[in-house]
Amino acid sequence: GAVVSQHPSWVICKSGTSVKIECRSLDFQATTMFWYRQFPKQSLMLMATSNEGSKATYEQGVEKDKFLINHASLTLSTLTVTSAHPEDSSFYICSAKTSGVTYEQYFGPGTRLTVT
Amino acid sequence: GEDVEQSLFLSVREGDSSVINCTYTDSSSTYLYWYKQEPGAGLQLLTYIFSNMDMKQDQRLTVLLNKKDKHLSLRIADTQTGDSAIYFCAEGQGGKLIFGQGTELSVKP
Repeated sequence: GAVVSQHPSWVICKSGTSVKIECRSLDFQATTMFWYRQFPKQSLMLMATSNEGSKATYEQGVEKDKFLINHASLTLSTLTVTSAHPEDSSFYICSAKTSGVTYEQYFGPGTRLTVT
Repeated sequence: GEDVEQSLFLSVREGDSSVINCTYTDSSSTYLYWYKQEPGAGLQLLTYIFSNMDMKQDQRLTVLLNKKDKHLSLRIADTQTGDSAIYFCAEGQGGKLIFGQGTELSVKP
């Protein structure tokens, strides 16, 4: 089956620093990748949609200058949390889909970010 | 607007059937999904149903869709302790997913 990996799985950083999270599709080409944020005991909230080679589309209320998304290849998307603050601490999950199959997104295992 | 609602908790005994319910508001949703999330992990797609279907069965899983009432349910037959997890329903349109809050299923031996 289609596998999506994320790296790192857990990161702790100091307030004011930037953190990059990678999302890779291991055995398929992902034309579209999605980034979600999940607070404890809560649902997943879509942050942005990125298509390979073009700028990401951010959901309302998500700061595009704070959450930088790059989808430079068909197998890799990155999310950079810039000038992180404690309120950015969360579980970040990516998903990926191909252009051929429209109904399924394949989810990564998530990255837990803790900002101290 | 788009909104997906689920009850937060469900507790069943091992061997019983579990029924998790979900309501949604976007009648133009093309697909509706059920995902499973175990602690500290990502989401696993359990099953999905196309909006013009009423029912879909896949081994122990049965999905019922009432499009008129915008109600979706997931029935797990012969629930096992390994089924303990959080279950999310989601509605999808054009590849974008809107998730419910998740139902925490607890299976007692």
